[in-house]
Amino acid sequence: GAVVSQHPSWVICKSGTSVKIECRSLDFQATTMFWYRQFPKQSLMLMATSNEGSKATYEQGVEKDKFLINHASLTLSTLTVTSAHPEDSSFYICSARAPGAALHFGNGTRLTVT
Amino acid sequence: DQQVKQNSPSLSVQEGRISILNCDYTNSMFDYFLWYKKYPAEGPTFLISISSIKDKNEDGRFTVFLNKSAKHLSLHIVPSQPGDSAVYFCAASGSNSGGSNYKLTFGKGTLLTVNP
Repeated sequence: GAVVSQHPSWVICKSGTSVKIECRSLDFQATTMFWYRQFPKQSLMLMATSNEGSKATYEQGVEKDKFLINHASLTLSTLTVTSAHPEDSSFYICSARAPGAALHFGNGTRLTVT
Repeated sequence: DQQVKQNSPSLSVQEGRISILNCDYTNSMFDYFLWYKKYPAEGPTFLISISSIKDKNEDGRFTVFLNKSAKHLSLHIVPSQPGDSAVYFCAASGSNSGGSNYKLTFGKGTLLTVNP
């Protein structure tokens, strides 16, 4: 079946630094990928839609200058959390949709900002 | 405003019995619904879906029921197994046209524990 790989699975960084998270579709091409964030005991919240070759579409309330998304190829989207702060600590998950199939998710990245 | 609600944060069931997970939605534009299962430290895994043109979809031990008039859906797992223990998310979408824009709205999830 379709596989979405996300890396790293966890990262700890210091406040003020930037962190890049990669999302790859391993056996299919994804023109669109999605980035979600999940706080403890909360639902997955869509942050942005990543579009290959064009700008990402951000959901209301999500700062595009803070959460930089690059979708340079049909199999890779990256999310960079710039100048991270402790309140950015969360579980970030990407997803992609294989043609004719439901969304498949990566395993997520646990970000802890100290 | 929570458009997809899973009012039970947890459910405990005995092995072999039926597990029933409930989900309510408020947005009448939703016409495609999915259930995802999530283990700790892993991403959600797709389980089963249902289009609004149906009221039931079955896949092995998993059956999803949709009551559009009540804006309610449920996931039945029978018989329940200890390996089913996980968080189950209900999700809804406003389009199942097959287009690439496939935005899902998720509920908060229900933690299912199946006891041996």
